[in-house]
Amino acid sequence: QKEVEQDPGPLSVPEGAIVSLNCTYSNSAFQYFMWYRQYSRKGPELLMYTYSSGNKEDGRFTAQVDKSSKYISLFIRDSQPSDSATYLCAMRLNTGNQFYFGTGTSLTVIP
Amino acid sequence: EADIYQTPRYLVIGTGKKITLECSQTMGHDKMYWYQQDPGMELHLIHYSYGVNSTEKGDLSSESTVSRIRTEHFPLTLESARPSHTSQYLCASSEYSRGVQFFGPGTRLTVL
Repeated sequence: QKEVEQDPGPLSVPEGAIVSLNCTYSNSAFQYFMWYRQYSRKGPELLMYTYSSGNKEDGRFTAQVDKSSKYISLFIRDSQPSDSATYLCAMRLNTGNQFYFGTGTSLTVIP
Repeated sequence: EADIYQTPRYLVIGTGKKITLECSQTMGHDKMYWYQQDPGMELHLIHYSYGVNSTEKGDLSSESTVSRIRTEHFPLTLESARPSHTSQYLCASSEYSRGVQFFGPGTRLTVL
């Protein structure tokens, strides 16, 4: 079983829709949770990060962590065509140096 | 502005050539990483470094080597490139206090 599971999609939504992207994980000791956006042929760009549990909001983006269910989500409100990209979740323990990534979800926002 | 740089961005070479992919960061991070990513596929860790003169191999078996002589510089070398090395190579660094990782723009390598 992989440490982090993420539905690869692809996910296609109309412009203005609310998008929900999710990851599940198996290691309850993960403490750092990140979401990256990766455009085609580019490096991943850090969007949001959360330490431990709870919600974090930044503009149109909201990250949620539910440690009891070992489930994290990224919500995108008022989605735009420029949001079309692959979204990767990532996690890390409180100690150590290794990051665990999901496989990424491909999102297309249709104008 | 603090950032992480990779050169070259694109490279096409013949089989058997020796190449070095460069990675530099200006953020003063101790930890640096190299990942390999094929199109539409997940990231695979191939090397990482805790600091100067410290390097470790990652999960993915790789014929590449790395060095860490300076904090800001983490080059990756392929002694003899093969078509199976064709991929995107991503360099990253991490900030321990925030526990997050920052990526460079990547080097897309094609070996003919």
